[in-house]
Parts: sequence; C-alpha cells; structure tokens
Amino acid sequence: DAMVIQNPRYQVTQFGKPVTLSCSQTLNHNVMYWYQQKSSQAPKLLFHYYDKDFNNEADTPDNFQSRRPNTSFCFLDIRSPGLGDAAMYLCATTRSGSNYNEQFFGPGTRLTVL
Amino acid sequence: KQEVTQIPAALSVPEGENLVLNCSFTDSAIYNLQWFRQDPGKGLTSLLLIQSSQREQTSGRLNASLDKSSGRSTLYIAASQPGDSATYLCAAPRRGGGADGLTFGKGTHLIIQP
Repeated sequence: DAMVIQNPRYQVTQFGKPVTLSCSQTLNHNVMYWYQQKSSQAPKLLFHYYDKDFNNEADTPDNFQSRRPNTSFCFLDIRSPGLGDAAMYLCATTRSGSNYNEQFFGPGTRLTVL
Repeated sequence: KQEVTQIPAALSVPEGENLVLNCSFTDSAIYNLQWFRQDPGKGLTSLLLIQSSQREQTSGRLNASLDKSSGRSTLYIAASQPGDSATYLCAAPRRGGGADGLTFGKGTHLIIQP
C-alpha cells in the first residue's frame, strides 16, 4: 500500500546531541511537510518542500533544518536539541493540484530529550 | 493568517449518542477542509476532506459539513461507539489551496462511555 513512513517511531536523545528524523513516501507526491506537535497542542508547520524548493516558516528556530535528497525522502535535522524540542514530529505529503491537496500523514516520531 | 478554533475542547457522552463537533476558521478563501483523528501517542488519520464545492461529505457513521460563508465546519458522528474515543482535529489550508500547509485547531478530546 502506498504510504508515508517515518523512522524511528521513538527517538531518545541527550540535550545538545544532534538528531535526524526520517520520512519516506511511496505516493510520489511532490510536496512534503514537517509539523511539530507538543503535548496537548495543535500540530504546527515547521517547513515544507514544494518539489525541490524549501519553504521555511518565519518562526521555525534555526536549530531545525531539513533535507530532501529525492522525491521520496525528507529528513528533519535538529542540530542541538533542547528540552523544549521534545514533541511528536509529523511528516505529511500531498500532490499539488490533485484532489484539492489532501494531506497524508505518517505515524509520527516521538522525540524525547534527556 | 488562518486561525482555526474547535469547540468543545472535550466531550464525554454515553455510547450510542449522536454528537456534533464544531470547527471555525477565519480565512474563508479555502479550497478544502480536512478532519483528522488522533489516538493517544499516535499520528494523524485522515477522516474526511471536504472540497469547497461540496457542502457535505460522508464516510460511514461520519458526516462533515462545510459552510465557507460563515467560516464553519461540523463533524457529525452517528451512533457513537467506545472505539470512537480519540482526539478529533480540524485543519484548514493556511492559504487557499493548501499546498502551503495546514493550520490545525487544538482538537476535541472525545470520550465515549461504554
């Protein structure tokens, strides 16, 4: 089945130790998103790739970076995680222009910072 | 800037009741609106997407409506079951078509009592 896959599902890191979260998709969608969801809060968009074009949100901390080496994969890099970065990180995809851009989400990666 | 509000924040009802979850959004120039379900500690499952040309969309016991002129959407759940217990999130495109990402409400935490 076509889907959005996130690895790992659970990630524990130490304060200040870089971490990379992975997202892959078999939907061949051209747009990929990273959202951050803290406990009991709404998901918040960090950035997205429209094809190869990177679109950063104005309030996304510089600590957060992203890479998209090809259509299928997208990575979220947190250079120096702080305790406040503990959250669920959600990857989503869509095909622009089709079915009014319905977004499909992966299962998420829960990040714990010690 | 799109803002999404969901009422109520929490709801607890006995099994078998019909119920309505409410969502309001500030920017009505949207092409669609999505409803999601989130189980504790899990990712988002898309329930329904309503296109701007539609007024209603149905899937099983779920029915979602969209009124762009008033900036409102409702999710109707018929004959509720304990398995419906989850958080329900409403999401509207940040701008127009949605390829720029979604703005989420904080969700309605639903408990169905057996």
